[in-house]
Amino acid sequence: DAGVIQSPRHEVTEMGQEVTLRCKPISGHNSLFWYRQTMMRGLELLIYFNNNVPIDDSGMPEDRFSAKMPNASFSTLKIQPSEPRDSAVYFCASVPEGTTEAFFGQGTRLTVV
Amino acid sequence: QKEVEQNSGPLSVPEGAIASLNCTYSDRGSQSFFWYRQYSGKSPELIMFIYSNGDKEDGRFTAQLNKASQYVSLLIRDSQPSDSATYLCAVNERGTALIFGKGTTLSVSS
Repeated sequence: DAGVIQSPRHEVTEMGQEVTLRCKPISGHNSLFWYRQTMMRGLELLIYFNNNVPIDDSGMPEDRFSAKMPNASFSTLKIQPSEPRDSAVYFCASVPEGTTEAFFGQGTRLTVV
Repeated sequence: QKEVEQNSGPLSVPEGAIASLNCTYSDRGSQSFFWYRQYSGKSPELIMFIYSNGDKEDGRFTAQLNKASQYVSLLIRDSQPSDSATYLCAVNERGTALIFGKGTTLSVSS
């Protein structure tokens, strides 16, 4: 199993540009989470999907952020327009059905200049 | 607001000693408790989980849970330099996402 796959691994973009982060969860896992990690705030939950349906998006910081999960094998997190304060490592994690043990992808390091 | 609190450290221990990492949580409804290890520049990886009060041992690691005190701990016996990392405590209720603490940095000196 290849694990949770995220792309790109690194992204540098200019303020105001649109950024799309991608995630492929582990096959058979039915829950998917997007987290953001910074030194100041640690790992923050952004949004949680269960069976492709958004369950809790209360962590999405503002309307500039949106997330989709069109099918069980793919999810995107979009930031439009991006701002320097969005710079962080964004992690995707998936969870097998019937458990609560999350498996993380390698993360996307986003830098907005 | 559900919160998970950890001492940020750094916690420094000599090689071979026992490292004790602590975590408290605010939500009494929490049912599952996890310890993740994160090396610098890497993603978190699960090392232990515990659901019931008491101790759970796995090799050099022991997780301890006290739901009445809302307290979780991780003991690492015979600490090795390779254990140097940030340890993240996480909790959740059934059907909800994991809520993480900010982590405790452990440094094991040889």
